[in-house]
Amino acid sequence: GQNIDQPTEMTATEGAIVQINCTYQTSGFNGLFWYQQHAGEAPTFLSYNVLDGLEEKGRFSSFLSRSKGYSYLLLKELQMKDSASYLCAVMDSNYQLIWGAGTKLIIKP
Amino acid sequence: IAGITQAPTSQILAAGRRMTLRCTQDMRHNAMYWYRQDLGLGLRLIHYSNTAGTTGKGEVPDGYSVSRANTDDFPLTLASAVPSQTSVYFCASSGTSGSGNEQFFGPGTRLTVL
Repeated sequence: GQNIDQPTEMTATEGAIVQINCTYQTSGFNGLFWYQQHAGEAPTFLSYNVLDGLEEKGRFSSFLSRSKGYSYLLLKELQMKDSASYLCAVMDSNYQLIWGAGTKLIIKP
Repeated sequence: IAGITQAPTSQILAAGRRMTLRCTQDMRHNAMYWYRQDLGLGLRLIHYSNTAGTTGKGEVPDGYSVSRANTDDFPLTLASAVPSQTSVYFCASSGTSGSGNEQFFGPGTRLTVL
């Protein structure tokens, strides 16, 4: 079966750095996406990785290792507005997104 | 209209009733999707459409139907609602269904079936 695993909840301090991990087992791989979802709102796109390595976009970076079935999202200089759920999703061989359950990130002052 | 709109925002429905959730996008995207999101579970694909005139079944299609008569609209119909269909429903679209195309999401419809 297809499976995406990420931690249910993480807590971090304002101004710090946090890494959210995602491991996956899917039938085929056509890229990995990270989305941010604030409570009661729609998911919004953060990043896309299809090749191994690190993609940096401002305070957010995303890493992919296809051989390990592993990705992480790195958030730097955390702000209170970063409190949200972070969703990992893999595009499978049918070009459909398989979603993890999301990691709820709590930022404390 | 800017992006994707969904209607209604929320709805309480008696079991056995028929309900259509509406979704409209103005980005001229070819691909559209319906997901449901339940607590503790990832988004699950109900139905999708790669282009106007075509539809396909996702992971959890039972009890739902869709149509794609034109590029902009992608309604989701529950023929006879059951309590297990209580969920938040998101419509999404992407330029195409291929690799690398991010999906844009509507604001969601919160549906409660009693």
